[in-house]
Amino acid sequence: QVQLVQSGPEVKKPGASVKVSCKASGYTFTNYAIGWVRQAPGQGLEWMAWISAYNVHTQYAQNLQGRVTVTTDTSTSTAYMELRSLRSDDTAVYYCAREADGDYYFEYWGQGTLVTVSS
Amino acid sequence: EIVMTQSPATLSMSPGERATLSCRASQSISNSLAWYQQKPGQAPRLLIYGASTRATGIPARFSGSGSGTEFTLTISSLQSEDFAFYYCHHYNIWPPRAFGPGTKVDVK
Repeated sequence: QVQLVQSGPEVKKPGASVKVSCKASGYTFTNYAIGWVRQAPGQGLEWMAWISAYNVHTQYAQNLQGRVTVTTDTSTSTAYMELRSLRSDDTAVYYCAREADGDYYFEYWGQGTLVTVSS
Repeated sequence: EIVMTQSPATLSMSPGERATLSCRASQSISNSLAWYQQKPGQAPRLLIYGASTRATGIPARFSGSGSGTEFTLTISSLQSEDFAFYYCHHYNIWPPRAFGPGTKVDVK
């Protein structure tokens, strides 16, 4: 069965960087794109970024351009999201999600990673 | 940039009632619209894609409709497990995807 297992919670200081991992299993990793979504405490879902199946194309939310980078390591079937210059309003649960076959909605989700930014 | 709006923000309902949730896009997205359900402390779960197709394992009481800019999620008879947050999501490749702000369905 398809599984996306994310790395554990992180506590970072303002200005630091964080890198969240998302290890996929149960399917051919290179056949499906991965998206990243975050959710601040008590808030809704915010689409952040997308990386194509073969790590060729990326797309980022306008408000995060320049601070976020998504990559994949096909040898380990793992996707990564790095967010730099962290601020307190980056405190959120970060989700990875696998897109559907041939379409762009999210069919499977990771369990989420809480990133807390605090001095 | 496409902006998604949802109404109402909160829907207070009783079990067994019919719930109707609305989602609007600021410009046409054809039928590239998905609905997700999220319960506290859990990841979202896909309910509907293509505006009206139920995802695998989703009960028939959930239905979606609409195209272009106006979309609706209907829960025909609310069960106790349906009280949750619901988000719509436009997933065209361009402009970049976006979620609506969500509708909370809670118990009256």
